[in-house]
Amino acid sequence: SQQGEEDPQALSIQEGENATMNCSYKTSINNLQWYRQNSGRGLVHLILIRSNEREKHSGRLRVTLDTSKKSSSLLITASRAADTASYFCATDPGSNYKLTFGKGTLLTVNP
Amino acid sequence: DSGVTQTPKHLITATGQRVTLRCSPRSGDLSVYWYQQSLDQGLQFLIQYYNGEERAKGNILERFSAQQFPDLHSELNLSSLELGDSALYFCASSVVGGGRGEQFFGPGTRLTVL
Repeated sequence: SQQGEEDPQALSIQEGENATMNCSYKTSINNLQWYRQNSGRGLVHLILIRSNEREKHSGRLRVTLDTSKKSSSLLITASRAADTASYFCATDPGSNYKLTFGKGTLLTVNP
Repeated sequence: DSGVTQTPKHLITATGQRVTLRCSPRSGDLSVYWYQQSLDQGLQFLIQYYNGEERAKGNILERFSAQQFPDLHSELNLSSLELGDSALYFCASSVVGGGRGEQFFGPGTRLTVL
């Protein structure tokens, strides 16, 4: 079963707007990662946030982690058409060597 | 380009057949992971190898097997193929094992079973 669940399943915005995607998970984690996948291509790692961190930034990306609510959010600011992709959260429970992916959020940025 | 290579890019075969997918990890990465991605199941972890040894197993069918060779490349063998095995198969690699760090994904092999 999927550990992470992204919300919403699909998001459509205009260029220049911000996009926020959420991820909820069920068990305690060592870290949580976000990946991007362009249609039919391999996944690309975006950012990793450890369980003792609350917020992390990378360029136009901002990730937050709330371990008490078992949730994370990914914010993409000033979105571009090139940001159109599926975004996945992945959790590392720290005990079984597995990284478990959610089903993803499909983001469409309209020019 | 992630540095992970996968061959072939596309594979079309018939039910009941056997295929082998190949993966070369990034230079220096000891861990190799295999994933299956389909529309209905999403991205499913299949199996992980670390420096030649099996480290973790996921939702891998008994008809599927994998191995990692001394030069660290890996092969995923799929046998007695069924229509439902049609999917994208990804290989990923990382320096460390498990989910400790980022994984670098290859471009995938698209398998179509007719």
